[in-house]
Amino acid sequence: DTAVSQTPKYLVTQMGNDKSIKCEQNLGHDTMYWYKQDSKKFLKIMFSYNNKELIINETVPNRFSPKSPDKAHLNLHINSLELGDSAVYFCASSQVTGTLFFGSGTQLSVL
Amino acid sequence: GQQLNQSPQSMFIQEGEDVSMNCTSSSIFNTWLWYKQDPGEGPVLLIALYKAGELTSNGRLTAQFGITRKDSFLNISASIPSDVGIYFCAGPGSGGSNYKLTFGKGTLLTVNP
Repeated sequence: DTAVSQTPKYLVTQMGNDKSIKCEQNLGHDTMYWYKQDSKKFLKIMFSYNNKELIINETVPNRFSPKSPDKAHLNLHINSLELGDSAVYFCASSQVTGTLFFGSGTQLSVL
Repeated sequence: GQQLNQSPQSMFIQEGEDVSMNCTSSSIFNTWLWYKQDPGEGPVLLIALYKAGELTSNGRLTAQFGITRKDSFLNISASIPSDVGIYFCAGPGSGGSNYKLTFGKGTLLTVNP
């Protein structure tokens, strides 16, 4: 069983479209995250939810909206996609401080 | 904001060689973490350090939490081809928030068989 699973693995779409990425963790963790990895492999936190409540919201365009229906799921919806949104998006979860468990990533390509 | 300087940016080594990389911070850290990212995958935790001076091993990997609490290093002994990947240091973000890890920019390791 995959601990943190996110779908889809690859997402290719046109500018202006709306898309969603789904994430689920079966580790029983209370906290989930979305990270963005740019073309230079730099990892930056976007959002964090603890028990379905938003606790971290970095300077991210409001076209990005996370939703956590329960503590095992954290989805990311992106409206009006732009070229600069192309990146790899990682979902992660944690219980113990700092020990993040990452999903395998969603490579988003906006054309 | 919090900054982590990780070096070297990349390394090309021969199989069997030892590797060393390090990370320095502009502020004191209470936790240092080392992750490895394989191509097409998410980062995986290798070693976690929670105490200044702590030296921890995981197989051929050894990491140390610097005495000043502003640095950490990771050593890999007798490298093998599967050690290829990007190695990241990480630690809690500004204000010591446990929910916000700051990552270094990574060290890309290439091992020639």
